[in-house]
Formats: sequence, C-alpha cells, structure tokens
Amino acid sequence: EDKVVQSPLSLVVHEGDTVTLNCSYEVTNFRSLLWYKQEKKAPTFLFMLTSSGIEKKSGRLSSILDKKELFSILNITATQTGDSAVYLCAVELNDSWGKLQFGAGTQVVVTP
Amino acid sequence: DAGITQSPRHKVTETGTPVTLRCHQTENHRYMYWYRQDPGHGLRLIHYSYGVKDTDKGEVSDGYSVSRSKTEDFLLTLESATSSQTSVYFCAIGQSSYNEQFFGPGTRLTVL
Repeated sequence: EDKVVQSPLSLVVHEGDTVTLNCSYEVTNFRSLLWYKQEKKAPTFLFMLTSSGIEKKSGRLSSILDKKELFSILNITATQTGDSAVYLCAVELNDSWGKLQFGAGTQVVVTP
Repeated sequence: DAGITQSPRHKVTETGTPVTLRCHQTENHRYMYWYRQDPGHGLRLIHYSYGVKDTDKGEVSDGYSVSRSKTEDFLLTLESATSSQTSVYFCAIGQSSYNEQFFGPGTRLTVL
C-alpha cells in the first residue's frame, strides 16, 4: 500500500528560527513530490520535485528530494509569523492522471 | 489565483438527504479533482476527471458520485448524506497530469 508520512506532526518555533520538515514515502511508480502550504483555507502550491539532489528555492523556502532514500525536506529559514500554517506533502505516481496522495501534514506555529 | 470557485461554501444538512457540491473553473484545465480533508488524514481523493464525461474513483469514493458534462464544471453528489461525510471538501484543477494542482476555497459540509 502506498504511503506518505510527514514529520513532525507539529512544532512551535520562535521568529527567526529555521524549520526543517520531513516527508518520506513508500510508493510504487513514483513520478513527483509536491509541497503545499495551507493557512486555514485552500492549500497553495510551493514546489514540485521530480529529480534527486536538485534544490528548489523560493525566497526563504527551499526543498530537496532524495529518490534513493525516498524522502524530501522542506526548509524555512528566518521564520516569520506569516509562515504559521500546515505544510502538506503529496506524491504523484506515474500513469495516475495526476492523482495525488497526501501526507497528514505538519502544523507549524511561529511565535513572535 | 487560479479561477476556481466552489458552491456552496458552507452547508448544514440532515442524514439521508442528497447533497450536491459544485466546482467551477475558468482556466479551461482538463483535469479536475475532489478531495475531502479531515483532521489527522490530510487530503484524500474522492473522485477525479480527466476530461468531459471521463471520471474515475479515488481512494474514498464510497457514498459519492460525480459528473462532468462540460469542461468548467465538476459536480460531487452525496446521494444520501451520512454523518461520516461531515468534512471540508476541496476541488482542484490541473492543466495536465504533469503539472501542479490548484485548489478551490473549499466547502464545509456538516451532516447532522
């Protein structure tokens, strides 16, 4: 059975800290891994990763995929209160019409 | 933001009644998806569509049906609502199966 597991489930940090979120997966026929941010509304897209070892970066957020060890990391540096959200990881399989299998999410709370 | 709307945004209904949720897009994307989101489960795929009149089941399709008679609309129907279908329902669209999905604002459904 395909599985996507995120850790930790939740964490609380202070503004300015660096956060590292983990997403591990056990799936057959992997195509891509996606990260989304959800702030009490619709998830918004952050990154799509298809190749191992290539870091994707957007401002203070970055992400990398390891297809050998079957995991991805999402890093947030110099956190701000606006980074408080649930971060969702999802895996897409080949020949799946774009269907995504999501992890349960990591709740991040950034305190002033 | 991608042009996706969902209606209604909130609904309270009673067990045993039929309910239809609508997803409307103005992006002319081929792929459309219905997810439900429950605490501890992340997002789970209910049904999806890969073209007009082309639909298939996701991982939690029991008790739900869908229809797509035109590109812009994807309807989700609960034939006889149950309390276990109380959830937040998100519609998503994708330009192709290789692209990220964009999510609608969600519908909060409560079945009493």
